Amino acid sequence: DGGITQSPKYLFRKEGQNVTLSCEQNLNHDAMYWYRQDPGQGLRLIYYSQIVNDFQKGDIAEGYSVSREKKESFPLTVTSAQKNPTAFYLCASRSRRETQYFGPGTRLLVL
Amino acid sequence: AQSVTQPDIHITVSEGASLELRCNYSYGATPYLFWYVQSPGQGLQLLLKYFSGDTLVQGIKGFEAEFKRSQSSFNLRKPSVHWSDAAEYFCAVAPEGQNFVFGPGTRLSVLP
Repeated sequence: DGGITQSPKYLFRKEGQNVTLSCEQNLNHDAMYWYRQDPGQGLRLIYYSQIVNDFQKGDIAEGYSVSREKKESFPLTVTSAQKNPTAFYLCASRSRRETQYFGPGTRLLVL
Repeated sequence: AQSVTQPDIHITVSEGASLELRCNYSYGATPYLFWYVQSPGQGLQLLLKYFSGDTLVQGIKGFEAEFKRSQSSFNLRKPSVHWSDAAEYFCAVAPEGQNFVFGPGTRLSVLP
């Protein structure tokens, strides 16, 4: 089945630690996105990539980093500079018909 | 700047009742329009989308939405709500070739 996978489902971060969230898609989509969702709030764009080896900052990129070495993969690193990382993180890819499809999400918690 | 408003933060309806969730957008031209649904702890699932043509769009799970250009609205409707429809609903707009802008969401509760 085609789709987007995110792992892990839950992730725990210690003080000062960098953690990486995985996002993989087999939909053959060029564009991929990372969003952050806080309780009772909508989605905020962290980073996006329109094509391999290229990515742009979204609205809340500070404290995060990404890479796009393969079309299928768009990992997000939450660095120690992100002081309030507790949130639900959603990865999405976008078809040529302009529709975004989402993964199941990763919940990041701070120990 | 583009914006999407969903005026209702939380709506409660009885099972079997009809439902309408409101969505208004602010943009110079008609963007692509979407409705997504999110169950607790899950990702977003696409319900329906509007690109052009017929202004009444049918989606999955018995939902439909009507685009009204004069009102810059794209309201979601369902004639008879089921308990499994309880979730968060997000309206989104996407000008062609640009990033999505999501509304703040409307939480739907369904009474038995």
